[in-house]
Amino acid sequence: GDSVTQMEGPVTLSEEAFLTINCTYTATGYPSLFWYVQYPGEGLQLLLKATKADDKGSNKGFEATYRKETTSFHLEKGSVQVSDSAVYFCALKRIRSGGSNYKLTFGKGTLLTVNP
Amino acid sequence: GAGVSQSPSNKVTEKGKDVELRCDPISGHTALYWYRQSLGQGLEFLIYFQGNSAPDKSGLPSDRFSAERTGGSVSTLTIQRTQQEDSAVYLCASSFRQGGNEKLFFGSGTQLSVL
Repeated sequence: GDSVTQMEGPVTLSEEAFLTINCTYTATGYPSLFWYVQYPGEGLQLLLKATKADDKGSNKGFEATYRKETTSFHLEKGSVQVSDSAVYFCALKRIRSGGSNYKLTFGKGTLLTVNP
Repeated sequence: GAGVSQSPSNKVTEKGKDVELRCDPISGHTALYWYRQSLGQGLEFLIYFQGNSAPDKSGLPSDRFSAERTGGSVSTLTIQRTQQEDSAVYLCASSFRQGGNEKLFFGSGTQLSVL
């Protein structure tokens, strides 16, 4: 079945440091890939997505590139801020016709703490 | 409200009791999802509604779990005879329609603790 594996946390960085959170996936066909973020006390929010190979999703300074050859979708940011402290979830959805294209499969989440 | 609303935000119950968790999706969203977030386990899909019907209940972990949706809006997740392993954060999400790359909007969740 479909699965998502992301690096275990917690990750602790100083402000302005470079961030990478690794994510790899297993899925049949060509899934769409997502990063969701959960800020303290809030619900999950879509951070960025990519729907086909070599697509780059980007938002709020974060980027992730859909690499089909390595089945990866690593999240990166060049300079993190204290306000980026949150839990980050990598997810996939198989996009196929005829229904059943609704289910997101999530990784276990990575807690990021950014210190001033 | 503007977002997905879940209640209660926290629920502490005794083993063996029944609990009901409520989700108010964004108005007009036809698709509704329940997920469970357990410590160290990520998000686990429980059930999906399209309108009032649930075409996929495959994630419900046992027959103690049930869910319904009425009026194409509010959904209730019921856990009967709660067990300690049911302790988790229960998340609800909705989207305007099913499938594709439709964006999901999540509530803040209900933290369930079974003593």
